[in-house]
Amino acid sequence: AQKITQTQPGMFVQEKEAVTLDCTYDTSDPSYGLFWYKQPSSGEMIFLIYQGSYDQQNATEGRYSLNFQKARKSANLVISASQLGDSAMYFCAMRDRGAAGNKLTFGGGTRVLVKP
Amino acid sequence: DTEVTQTPKHLVMGMTNKKSLKCEQHMGHRAMYWYKQKAKKPPELMFVYSYEKLSINESVPSRFSPECPNSSLLNLHLHALQPEDSALYLCASSQERGQGAPSYEQYFGPGTRLTVT
Repeated sequence: AQKITQTQPGMFVQEKEAVTLDCTYDTSDPSYGLFWYKQPSSGEMIFLIYQGSYDQQNATEGRYSLNFQKARKSANLVISASQLGDSAMYFCAMRDRGAAGNKLTFGGGTRVLVKP
Repeated sequence: DTEVTQTPKHLVMGMTNKKSLKCEQHMGHRAMYWYKQKAKKPPELMFVYSYEKLSINESVPSRFSPECPNSSLLNLHLHALQPEDSALYLCASSQERGQGAPSYEQYFGPGTRLTVT
């Protein structure tokens, strides 16, 4: 069974500074995908970034980058130059591409509060 | 356009009511999902539709009945719910096998906040 662990329940970060959100995973499947989602207080889950298990390079999307360390089974999200609008819950998730379809398993989430 | 829409935004229903949640996407995605999310918890998968056929049911009680009338629409019919079913219900969609992108990232709607009284 797949498992995703986010060990930081909450974090404060100063505006304009970078923040790293931790995510570790466990799977026996050699092919998998890792995702990060942002959930503001409004409730919508916003897709941020994706990393495939066979991707050689770390994924980047604007101010978001994923520090993928396959041997350590970690996929940390780095948000650079934090903005007030980055205050939200962040979820790491793993895709299980089974025969029946896609399933996403989510970590417990990290709440980020950006201070002005 | 990566928009998934859900209606209604809020719903209050009694335990004897019948109501439906609606979800729509126009991204050409052939996989659609229902999730349930309790406060301060991650979303939990309920159902997956692949090419308009139910492919995954995560042992959801029969008082929740999903329906996929066409490739753009997904409904969740609710009947005889319990107060513990109060939660945020999220719909999502993604590409499916045969549609190209290997990432299959899921795009979520804003959710329906359901309160069962």
